[in-house]
Amino acid sequence: QVTLRESGPALVKPTQTLTLTCTFSGFSLSTSGMCVSWIRQPPGKALEWLALIDWDDDKYYSTSLKTRLTISKDTSKNQVVLTMTNMDPVDTATYYCARMRGGGSCYGGWFDPWGQGTLVTVSS
Amino acid sequence: SYVLTQPPSVSVAPGQTARITCGGNNIGSKSVHWYQQKPGQAPVLVVYDDSDRPSGIPERFSGSNSGNTATLTISRVEAGDEADYYCQVWDSSSDHQEVFGGGTKLTVL
Repeated sequence: QVTLRESGPALVKPTQTLTLTCTFSGFSLSTSGMCVSWIRQPPGKALEWLALIDWDDDKYYSTSLKTRLTISKDTSKNQVVLTMTNMDPVDTATYYCARMRGGGSCYGGWFDPWGQGTLVTVSS
Repeated sequence: SYVLTQPPSVSVAPGQTARITCGGNNIGSKSVHWYQQKPGQAPVLVVYDDSDRPSGIPERFSGSNSGNTATLTISRVEAGDEADYYCQVWDSSSDHQEVFGGGTKLTVL
């Protein structure tokens, strides 16, 4: 059974750096074709993809946020970490991590399953 | 950047068929994936690769994709299908961007 769980602070102050950890089980990120992504959802709004890391440690970021994001993995711990710098109240959202799968690799693939999400509020 | 356009809302009576569209430039050349999200819950994959269903998803959920429009069809709609639905594609033309539509609220009357 594949599961993912997000963890991190529920509250951060403006200008601070957010660090979120995705801990997963049931698959290995060292398996060829495997990827993990981060997605967020502001309250009452749509999903927004943030970043992806693949089995070969290639990384991709949302064009609009790439200067603020860093994604990394610790394969031995089955974890993926996302950092977002210079947090602002507009970054208040539920942050999800999800495994990505596809036919041959994750590219062009889908998100399944998702973690339960963690709500991050940015406020002074 | 690639844009996916969904209607904000779709309403349907129980037992009828709901069709939720996802528009994008030549979307028919891409693989489209659909997610269902109920209030307070994480999204769940309901259709992948245009028209395939994950295990556990009822046959009432189906998908199609051609030209500039992909469609999620829900047959014999039930009250439990009321949720937000999102489409998603991979935009390989611009440094690997995963793109979501704006979401459609399905209301069961």
